[in-house]
Amino acid sequence: NAGVTQTPKFRVLKTGQSMTLLCAQDMNHEYMYWYRQDPGMGLRLIHYSVGEGTTAKGEVPDGYNVSRLKKKQNFLLGLESAAPSQTSVYFCASSPMNLYPGQNYGYTFGSGTRLTVV
Amino acid sequence: AQSVAQPEDQVNVAEGNPLTVKCTYSVSGNPYLFWYVQYPNRGLQVLLKYITGDNLVKGSYGFEAEFNKSQTSFHLKKPSALVSDSALYFCAVRDSSGGSYIPTFGRGTSLIVHP
Repeated sequence: NAGVTQTPKFRVLKTGQSMTLLCAQDMNHEYMYWYRQDPGMGLRLIHYSVGEGTTAKGEVPDGYNVSRLKKKQNFLLGLESAAPSQTSVYFCASSPMNLYPGQNYGYTFGSGTRLTVV
Repeated sequence: AQSVAQPEDQVNVAEGNPLTVKCTYSVSGNPYLFWYVQYPNRGLQVLLKYITGDNLVKGSYGFEAEFNKSQTSFHLKKPSALVSDSALYFCAVRDSSGGSYIPTFGRGTSLIVHP
């Protein structure tokens, strides 16, 4: 059971380039999230999805777009024109709609993508 | 609106001593509470969670946390710290009664256990 898988793990972009980060989960979770982690800032929500074909903005959505593919378990994060301010570590997470005490998981995170924009 | 506060950026403790990492929260309804640990260059792993039931929650690696509704706190504790416990710890909250299923994370507390 792989959980949440993010690709790529590392990437260096030049300012103005575009790229797509892929997140896949095999737990059949309804909800998926993209966060960025910066020193001293904790985790900040970029975009999230509550189901196939639906997405919504989080705390820091500017400069990013997302899509939830027809396959329920994939969630893509796109950078249209990368800027140095988007240098960060990006985490994808997923969760079921309802949480129960006996569950082995709540919010499950991927291992992250370290992005540097030069 | 929901929020989480981790008042300490860093906690230092000697190996073998008890440790506490503090977390307070604010939600409109009843909270779901979580503690996550992040080791260097790794993703976040859940340590423990409170959904309902006993106020004392036991989690992985000997950690526990106590849900205190009157003080709106969910402090993380361990009786005897290990050097391997050194990591970044995040507290998170979600309102169980609202329409949003989005958790709010604290800024994180760096735990450093000295040999």
